[in-house]
Amino acid sequence: NAGVTQTPKFRILKIGQSMTLQCTQDMNHNYMYWYRQDPGMGLKLIYYSVGAGITDKGEVPNGYNVSRSTTEDFPLRLELAAPSQTSVYFCASSYYRVGVDQPQHFGDGTRLSIL
Amino acid sequence: GQQLNQSPQSMFIQEGEDVSMNCTSSSIFNTWLWYKQDPGEGPVLLIALYKAGELTSNGRLTAQFGITRKDSFLNISASIPSDVGIYFCAGHDDKIIFGKGTRLHILP
Repeated sequence: NAGVTQTPKFRILKIGQSMTLQCTQDMNHNYMYWYRQDPGMGLKLIYYSVGAGITDKGEVPNGYNVSRSTTEDFPLRLELAAPSQTSVYFCASSYYRVGVDQPQHFGDGTRLSIL
Repeated sequence: GQQLNQSPQSMFIQEGEDVSMNCTSSSIFNTWLWYKQDPGEGPVLLIALYKAGELTSNGRLTAQFGITRKDSFLNISASIPSDVGIYFCAGHDDKIIFGKGTRLHILP
């Protein structure tokens, strides 16, 4: 009954460091998404994937990379961390494209601070 | 880019009151979604609307998809303490665009 699992829950990085935010889902969902949520704001789509081996840019992809080698995993990579990337990152998944009676399931978020 | 204007930003109400919030856009969306986010958690989908003019209920929640496909509203009837949180609208076309949220506070 895990759903969408994100790790780590919290992380502090120095400017210029790199890291990978992990996301895995056990619902056999085809679609996976990465969002960032800045304080007092809604979610902004960074990248999404419609299936293993396929990724596409969202609204704010600069400074990030993703890969989708398996159906279950959709890691998000920051290569050169910048203060502007301080945010809460949410991973989500859905069986099919949201809007066709398919809800998105969200993870609990990764809180990332760049100092 | 596409933007959603969600209002009000915050609401302070008494328990038992009805709540109304709305979202407008300059662009047409095929689907409107309403989410609730509790502190420290990810958003949870409340209602999805797929057709212009559609009115859908989920318990005490009612949402409508505007005829022009550029707006939607969410009503909560007889609010209770667990309704506290942030409510987000989202428009869906090729991608999902979120509003900035309405923060609902219930006064003791």
